[in-house]
Amino acid sequence: TQLLEQSPQFLSIQEGENLTVYCNSSSVFSSLQWYRQEPGEGPVLLVTVVTGGEVKKLKRLTFQFGDARKDSSLHITAAQPGDTGLYLCAGSSNAGNMLTFGGGTRLMVKP
Amino acid sequence: GAVVSQHPSWVICKSGTSVKIECRSLDFQATTMFWYRQFPKQSLMLMATSNEGSKATYEQGVEKDKFLINHASLTLSTLTVTSAHPEDSSFYICSAPPVGSPYEQYFGPGTRLTVT
Repeated sequence: TQLLEQSPQFLSIQEGENLTVYCNSSSVFSSLQWYRQEPGEGPVLLVTVVTGGEVKKLKRLTFQFGDARKDSSLHITAAQPGDTGLYLCAGSSNAGNMLTFGGGTRLMVKP
Repeated sequence: GAVVSQHPSWVICKSGTSVKIECRSLDFQATTMFWYRQFPKQSLMLMATSNEGSKATYEQGVEKDKFLINHASLTLSTLTVTSAHPEDSSFYICSAPPVGSPYEQYFGPGTRLTVT
């Protein structure tokens, strides 16, 4: 069974601060996705990383896939209250798109 | 593009009744859809994989006779919670990878089930 450990579980910061969320596994994934979920809604896909060492940027968000494709990180620069939400990493093996989810990071950005 | 809808968005039912939840891919086809369950402040837990035209594959610990899944077409999968009990109350979410998309999945908005 593939497991993804996400850290930290909770993060409360002030507006303007930077933060990094980590997603680690002992297993290799063919791809890794990051999602953001707000209460009462489904997860929204932020990015998919596929190549080891890949870095993708989405405005103030920077996503990195580890060289060995076992870990990933999400870095947010100058966080804003609108970034508040549950961030989920999810890995996919070659087994037909089935996703393994990390435990999630609940982020709160205070104005 | 890549929109997944769920219906209903929320439902309240009495203990012992059955509830059907629909998951539709609106602008793409999906031979596979996934059903998840999410408890408050927790991550998503995969319940089953729905396969168009064949039987669903259930994760360990998920009762297939209680959670009936039907994937009748390339755009519709249904989850029926049979003989619902209060412990079945949860947020149910479906997802679908577009045919030909090797990695990405798109999620529905979820269905909040409350069993009284």
